Amino acid sequence: GAVVSQHPSRVICKSGTSVKIECRSLDFQATTMFWYRQFPKKSLMLMATSNEGSKATYEQGVEKDKFLINHASLTLSTLTVTSAHPEDSSFYICSASLGLGSTDTQYFGPGTRLTVL
Amino acid sequence: AQTVTQSQPEMSVQEAETVTLSCTYDTSESDYYLFWYKQPPSRQMILVIRQEAYKQQNATENRFSVNFQKAAKSFSLKISDSQLGDAAMYFCASTSGSRLTFGEGTQLTVNP
Repeated sequence: GAVVSQHPSRVICKSGTSVKIECRSLDFQATTMFWYRQFPKKSLMLMATSNEGSKATYEQGVEKDKFLINHASLTLSTLTVTSAHPEDSSFYICSASLGLGSTDTQYFGPGTRLTVL
Repeated sequence: AQTVTQSQPEMSVQEAETVTLSCTYDTSESDYYLFWYKQPPSRQMILVIRQEAYKQQNATENRFSVNFQKAAKSFSLKISDSQLGDAAMYFCASTSGSRLTFGEGTQLTVNP
């Protein structure tokens, strides 16, 4: 149980275009989903927390208008990188939890590698 | 701010031997959870073990066990009978509300 999928696994796009990444919890309902960014050989950096049906909470320094997050259902959250630039190239990982607060375990998707040319 | 520190960027172990990965954390929370996650070359984050801070008993999962020292804010991971498949980046993490704070990771190499 507790499987989270991400699509696509890899995407290459041109500078200035927008890219959407989907995160789905396959066998449980995820009240809360999280989006992380990971640079090579570095740790995970939390970008935002999203709760189903409400606006995402962004971490300090993360541009809301650049990284649009939608959590429209209990099994799906999307991250859209708008007007992507080469510096947005990174590995993006989502996770999902039941939303029980500090008692909860996050289950991670396999990640999406974004390359902006 | 919550911090998690992993002081060993790299560790190596011989197959079938035991290795311990260190982690210390700093939190003002009274109720929190601690985790070890493994990230193999596929980059899929895999939950290894979880510890509730209010429990004194150390968590174990097969060959994986923790040494949780709450007063010292220390949470080390012991891997017994190391296998080649254990080679990965290991991240220690603690909760702050629903958020996870990760350490910088320890790259574990298992030598045959």
